[in-house]
Amino acid sequence: AQSVTQLDSQVPVFEEAPVELRCNYSSSVSVYLFWYVQYPNQGLQLLLKYLSGSTLVKGINGFEAEFNKSQTSFHLRKPSVHISDTAEYFCAVSDLWGGSQGNLIFGKGTKLSVKP
Amino acid sequence: EPEVTQTPSHQVTQMGQEVILRCVPISNHLYFYWYRQILGQKVEFLVSFYNNEISEKSEIFDDQFSVERPDGSNFTLKIRSTKLEDSAMYFCASRQGQGIEQYFGPGTRLTVT
Repeated sequence: AQSVTQLDSQVPVFEEAPVELRCNYSSSVSVYLFWYVQYPNQGLQLLLKYLSGSTLVKGINGFEAEFNKSQTSFHLRKPSVHISDTAEYFCAVSDLWGGSQGNLIFGKGTKLSVKP
Repeated sequence: EPEVTQTPSHQVTQMGQEVILRCVPISNHLYFYWYRQILGQKVEFLVSFYNNEISEKSEIFDDQFSVERPDGSNFTLKIRSTKLEDSAMYFCASRQGQGIEQYFGPGTRLTVT
C-alpha cells in the first residue's frame, strides 16, 4: 500500500527566506508524485507534478521539487517566499498500475506561515 | 480555462438526514473522484468512478454513501443518513482519459448538527 509522510506539520518562515517542505513516500510500484496547495477557504490547486524524466520539476509560483528515488523523497522548495505563499501544502502520490484509477493518497499537509 | 464546479459551497444538515453534493466535472474528462477532508486532517480518497460505475472505493465509502452520474454533466455524492462524523469538506475531482493530473473543485463544506 502507498503512503505519504510529511514530516513537518507547520513551517514558519520570514518573507524572502528560502523554504523546504519535506515529503517522503512508500510504494511497491512506480508512482507519480504531486504537490498541491490549499489557500485558506479554497480548494486544492496543483503546484507541480513528477511523472517521469528529469528529477527536478518546476511548478507555478516559483516552486520546484526534486524526486529522489533512492531516498523515496519529493521535497518542495522555493528560494524566496512571499507573504502570499502562506497556505497549506499537500504532497500526494498516485499510480496507474494494476487497474488502479489513479486515486491520490495525500500526506497530512504542511502549513507554511510566511511572516514579514 | 475549464474548471470543476461544486454546489452548494456550504451545506448544513441535521443528523440522520440525506444530503446530495453536486459536482460538474470538466466536460471531456472521463474519470471522476470524491475526496473528503475532515477539519484539520488530511485529504482522504472516497471513491473513483469511470464508465458509469464505481472503479475503486475506500473503507470510508460504506453503504451510507453512493455516487451517480445522472446525466452527461453532473456527478453526485449522496449520503443517506448523515452522522456527526460526516462533517467535512468534500472535494470532487476529474481527469482526462490519458492524463494523470486530477483537477479539483472548490469543495462543499458539509456540517452535520
